[in-house]
Amino acid sequence: AQKITQTQPGMFVQEKEAVTLDCTYDTSDPSYGLFWYKQPSSGEMIFLIYQGSYDQQNATEGRYSLNFQKARKSANLVISASQLGDSAMYFCAMREGGNSGNTPLVFGKGTRLSVIA
Amino acid sequence: GAGVSQSPSNKVTEKGKDVELRCDPISGHTALYWYRQSLGQGLEFLIYFQGNSAPDKSGLPSDRFSAERTGGSVSTLTIQRTQQEDSAVYLCASSLDWLGGATNEKLFFGSGTQLSVL
Repeated sequence: AQKITQTQPGMFVQEKEAVTLDCTYDTSDPSYGLFWYKQPSSGEMIFLIYQGSYDQQNATEGRYSLNFQKARKSANLVISASQLGDSAMYFCAMREGGNSGNTPLVFGKGTRLSVIA
Repeated sequence: GAGVSQSPSNKVTEKGKDVELRCDPISGHTALYWYRQSLGQGLEFLIYFQGNSAPDKSGLPSDRFSAERTGGSVSTLTIQRTQQEDSAVYLCASSLDWLGGATNEKLFFGSGTQLSVL
């Protein structure tokens, strides 16, 4: 079964508008971490934001925020005031487990975001 | 080094040959990951290391794939008897630790090795 599901293969957004990229996850472990990474056309992977399962507040990093809905097992990425440079692939990822730490970080299939001028 | 270094950046090989891909993580990073990415696709987990140990090898596609890490530093991914379906970008990443939140777990990726099997 897929651990991470990103249902939007591609998204378009107008420059300066906000956009939400969807991510749902599947785990029975109460302790986990959720990540978003960006991969521009250059191929490099860039860390954007992290949300821990016990964090009370939604994570924010500049123009990025994570809409964490634990009961629904969703961790959507919100990008505000989109810029042309935001055009890239975006990957959601999850690491399960607490102190055992014996689980790898697994990625979803990604969403390609295109920002239109 | 300043970042995760992978070599070679490109490798073209003939079907049936063995290849070795090298990853030099950021100094002091205890966790090291190998992923595979086919063109336009997501990241497929292969294996990861905590120190020199590999707790999870479940992602290795077949017994032709193996990996090791020595001295808690450099890692080598070996593919024996390469097949055309092995063609992909092989990405290595390291993190300070394998748990403990964003500061510890944030992955730093190398630029990848583009493997082409003819």
